[in-house]
Amino acid sequence: NAGVTQTPKFQVLKTGQSMTLQCAQDMNHNSMYWYRQDPGMGLRLIYYSASEGTTDKGEVPNGYNVSRLNKREFSLRLESAAPSQTSVYFCASRGLSSPLHFGNGTRLTVT
Amino acid sequence: SQKIEQNSEALNIQEGKTATLTCNYTNYSPAYLQWYRQDPGRGPVFLLLIRENEKEKRKERLKVTFDTTLKQSLFHITASQPADSATYLCALDIFSGGSYIPTFGRGTSLIVHP
Repeated sequence: NAGVTQTPKFQVLKTGQSMTLQCAQDMNHNSMYWYRQDPGMGLRLIYYSASEGTTDKGEVPNGYNVSRLNKREFSLRLESAAPSQTSVYFCASRGLSSPLHFGNGTRLTVT
Repeated sequence: SQKIEQNSEALNIQEGKTATLTCNYTNYSPAYLQWYRQDPGRGPVFLLLIRENEKEKRKERLKVTFDTTLKQSLFHITASQPADSATYLCALDIFSGGSYIPTFGRGTSLIVHP
């Protein structure tokens, strides 16, 4: 049972480059989330998808876009990466009235 | 605005003692509160959920209390072990834009010394 799978695990980008972080869950969960985690800042929500076909902004959406491709997959795109986007990105999912299941993160460095 | 506060300083305790971590929140009345554990380089892992009508919840060596009057949850690990060393996060679901949004405190690092 894979749970939540994130790819890639590590990525280094130059300022201005673009990339897509992938996330897939195999638990048939309706809701999916993207968080970033920075030292001293905790987990901050970037975007979420309460159900297939919907996406909404979280606390820190600027510079990001998302796509809920189907019920399993929720991707996060950086169109023009900036050093301020250097962070660890976590994808999570959950079913109705259930706790979050997290992936193991993507460590992104933007130089 | 909603605020979730956890002790930012690391908690250092001796093996065998009880660790107590605190989560305080303001400006909200959550239906339930959750605790997660995070190890370095890993995603958070769910530990316990406690609902507003529950005063206490236990799971093995873990105990969570929830005081909705004080707006506080306490997380206890009894008979602590070095393997319990990790960062512990509390989370509340905050209603926004028609959905409940899981919102986290910054976490407290626990270090259990042998």
